[in-house]
Amino acid sequence: AQTVTQSQPEMSVQEAETVTLSCTYDTSESNYYLFWYKQPPSRQMILVIRQEAYKQQNATENRFSVNFQKAAKSFSLKISDSQLGDTAMYFCAFMTEYGGSQGNLIFGKGTKLSVKP
Amino acid sequence: KAGVTQTPRYLIKTRGQQVTLSCSPISGHRSVSWYQQTPGQGLQFLFEYFSETQRNKGNFPGRFSGRQFSNSRSEMNVSTLELGDSALYLCASRFSDRPGEQYFGPGTRLTVT
Repeated sequence: AQTVTQSQPEMSVQEAETVTLSCTYDTSESNYYLFWYKQPPSRQMILVIRQEAYKQQNATENRFSVNFQKAAKSFSLKISDSQLGDTAMYFCAFMTEYGGSQGNLIFGKGTKLSVKP
Repeated sequence: KAGVTQTPRYLIKTRGQQVTLSCSPISGHRSVSWYQQTPGQGLQFLFEYFSETQRNKGNFPGRFSGRQFSNSRSEMNVSTLELGDSALYLCASRFSDRPGEQYFGPGTRLTVT
């Protein structure tokens, strides 16, 4: 069974600084997808970034980038130039490419990020 | 394009009752997935529908059921409500049955008393 682990329940960062959120996962699949979702206090889940396992290049989206280490099964999120609006719960999620689990996002427990002025 | 919409946004029910939640996906999206979010268990997958067929189901009792209509709108039903069913129920849609990002609605907050 696939699992996703986020070892940092809470983190804080000063505005304009950089922070890295950790995520590890466990799977026997070779092809899969990884995501970071953000859930602010409004509770709306927002996609931050995605990574296909077959792509070696790390995904980037503006101030957000990932460090994908397939062999280590690690998928960390780096937020540069942190802004107050980045304050939210961040969830790492996994999806297989094939089989009955398709369409099933497996989430970690989340990391609560607070950006301080 | 309008995002995923869910109705109602808030709901209070008593134990033993049943409830129906509705989800309208992004226009053109044919896959709808449902998730339950609680403080204790986190986010858990309930089921996924694609073209009116349930393709995948999570580890939930039979009291939880769903369906999808020809216009891709989906409903989920919970019968014989229990206190533990209190949760935020999230619906997510995506374009095809291929793996890819899902877009979430704002959720329905269900409180069972």
